Amino acid sequence: DADVTQTPRNRITKTGKRIMLECSQTKGHDRMYWYRQDPGLGLRLIYYSFDVKDINKGEISDGYSVSRQAQAKFSLSLESAIPNQTALYFCATSDGLAGGSEQFFGPGTRLTVL
Amino acid sequence: GENVEQHPSTLSVQEGDSAVIKCTYSDSASNYFPWYKQELGKRPQLIIDIRSNVGEKKDQRIAVTLNKTAKHFSLHITETQPEDSAVYFCAASKWTGYSTLTFGKGTMLLVSP
Repeated sequence: DADVTQTPRNRITKTGKRIMLECSQTKGHDRMYWYRQDPGLGLRLIYYSFDVKDINKGEISDGYSVSRQAQAKFSLSLESAIPNQTALYFCATSDGLAGGSEQFFGPGTRLTVL
Repeated sequence: GENVEQHPSTLSVQEGDSAVIKCTYSDSASNYFPWYKQELGKRPQLIIDIRSNVGEKKDQRIAVTLNKTAKHFSLHITETQPEDSAVYFCAASKWTGYSTLTFGKGTMLLVSP
């Protein structure tokens, strides 16, 4: 089945380290997103990409960067991790149909910054 | 930008009761309103959505209503079952082709047997 996958699933790192979270999809969707989930704060958008050459900042992009290597791959980097970036990170994809379309989420990456 | 408020943050019901989760949005141009369910340790998944040209939509035990004038939409779950226990997120977007979803902060629903 077409799916969205994320690696790693869990990561513990130290303050100041550079971390990359990877997302791959076999759904053939053009649009990809990175969200952060914190208890009581819902899903907040970090970055999004509507096609390979398109990168946009979301609500909480400070301290993060992204790379869209191909239609199927979208990576999130923390250049210098800090403890308040400890969270559950989700990648998602969608097609570009007008009128609203379903977002399909990956399984999530739980990141702990010590 | 869009702001979505969701209430309550937690909701406990007995099996068989109904549950209602309410959301308000700020941008009158928003016209797409999905609801996602996230079971413990799982990824969020779409359970139902509604567009602004429709006032109500049903799918078996779940329904969503939309009041565009009040900028308010709600999720209704009837005959709740323990497997309905999860976190539910509402969201809104204005579909210009280049917009993104803004999520509410979520409601943890606990259905007790």
